[in-house]
Amino acid sequence: EADIYQTPRYLVIGTGKKITLECSQTMGHDKMYWYQQDPGMELHLIHYSYGVNSTEKGDLSSESTVSRIRTEHFPLTLESARPSHTSQYLCASALAQATGELFFGEGSRLTVL
Amino acid sequence: KQEVTQIPAALSVPEGENLVLNCSFTDSAIYNLQWFRQDPGKGLTSLLLIQSSQREQTSGRLNASLDKSSGRSTLYIAASQPGDSATYLCAVRPGGGSQGNLIFGKGTKLSVKP
Repeated sequence: EADIYQTPRYLVIGTGKKITLECSQTMGHDKMYWYQQDPGMELHLIHYSYGVNSTEKGDLSSESTVSRIRTEHFPLTLESARPSHTSQYLCASALAQATGELFFGEGSRLTVL
Repeated sequence: KQEVTQIPAALSVPEGENLVLNCSFTDSAIYNLQWFRQDPGKGLTSLLLIQSSQREQTSGRLNASLDKSSGRSTLYIAASQPGDSATYLCAVRPGGGSQGNLIFGKGTKLSVKP
């Protein structure tokens, strides 16, 4: 059973607001990821981290930023939300050693009005 | 560049039927392949992971096979139930170890009718 948590699950905000999506895992996983997924569409990797103080941009360009100050925590921030940011954001983690099996959180659905 | 394709995009079957979901990938140099299930509006649940050296993995009514040389994997679901209705995604990790990032297919949306 995966122990990876995302908050908030649902968020509706106005344009221009700053938002932070939280992601925490209690499995001691080194690697953490953020994916963006529009309804019925494929997943796009937007950020990942291989450990503390390590962050990389993914395949899909994103205006969001991430930080990794603690192993268990990988928040995603949008400084000024726009309607084009409306989407589902999925956080995942994996152990760097062994198989690298990926475990996902429940997702954060963001709506920007 | 690795590409992952899942066919069909959608599938509807009556309850009790055995079914096969297909996943193909263009570069056979993979480290492993993972099958996920996604319910509407939810995150992904890991179902099975097959290492490149393995031919198949089983969990309950699910059996995943891997033919690396032909670039194919199948997910077999036995005696399907309405609760199996979901989108099933496969993802491959490129060769070179567990450091590579997963490349996802677009998924097959399965509907099992009572």
